[in-house]
Amino acid sequence: DTEVTQTPKHLVMGMTNKKSLKCEQHMGHRAMYWYKQKAKKPPELMFVYSYEKLSINESVPSRFSPECPNSSLLNLHLHALQPEDSALYLCASSQGRGATNEKLFFGSGTQLSVL
Amino acid sequence: GDSVTQMEGPVTLSEEAFLTINCTYTATGYPSLFWYVQYPGEGLQLLLKATKADDKGSNKGFEATYRKETTSFHLEKGSVQVSDSAVYFCALHHSNYQLIWGAGTKLIIKP
Repeated sequence: DTEVTQTPKHLVMGMTNKKSLKCEQHMGHRAMYWYKQKAKKPPELMFVYSYEKLSINESVPSRFSPECPNSSLLNLHLHALQPEDSALYLCASSQGRGATNEKLFFGSGTQLSVL
Repeated sequence: GDSVTQMEGPVTLSEEAFLTINCTYTATGYPSLFWYVQYPGEGLQLLLKATKADDKGSNKGFEATYRKETTSFHLEKGSVQVSDSAVYFCALHHSNYQLIWGAGTKLIIKP
């Protein structure tokens, strides 16, 4: 199984809503990532978990809250988002040490619209 | 700081044409280099990589050679198909868990 599965595929939420994005992988990878991708742009790194510990937070606003319950699961909790947060949110995983030749496996993403 | 520059798109070609997408980089040291591809409505997937100078990465008919002297990693394919239509991203490994991405090049192949 070389898949990273993300749910939901599409999400529409109001600025006062609370929602969560979910990501799962069963490749035994120990690093998991959240990226944000605007249309026609490269992905922007948000968070990295390594061995279930938050390793990188790229100064992401607190309205985005990541959680890594175990080595296979990654969540992104959303609260009080702004319309400019509308984007494709991609989850990725890799073997785990952030080594120079480490391959990222991406999910298909959640297309988020904030109204 | 480290950076990646890709040719601007879209690049439009006819089926069976030769493809080159240019990628140049600026980096300290000798980072690993990658090409990722994003098909419409999907996430990114690794197309090929090279980890040191003069390495050639190849996959699905695509090739790219890590050229230290010209700081380049151009993507080539001898005969493109309609199914190759996608956005292609060049990237370099910057530090633990961090990639520096190019802006992406949209490729359109017409039958």
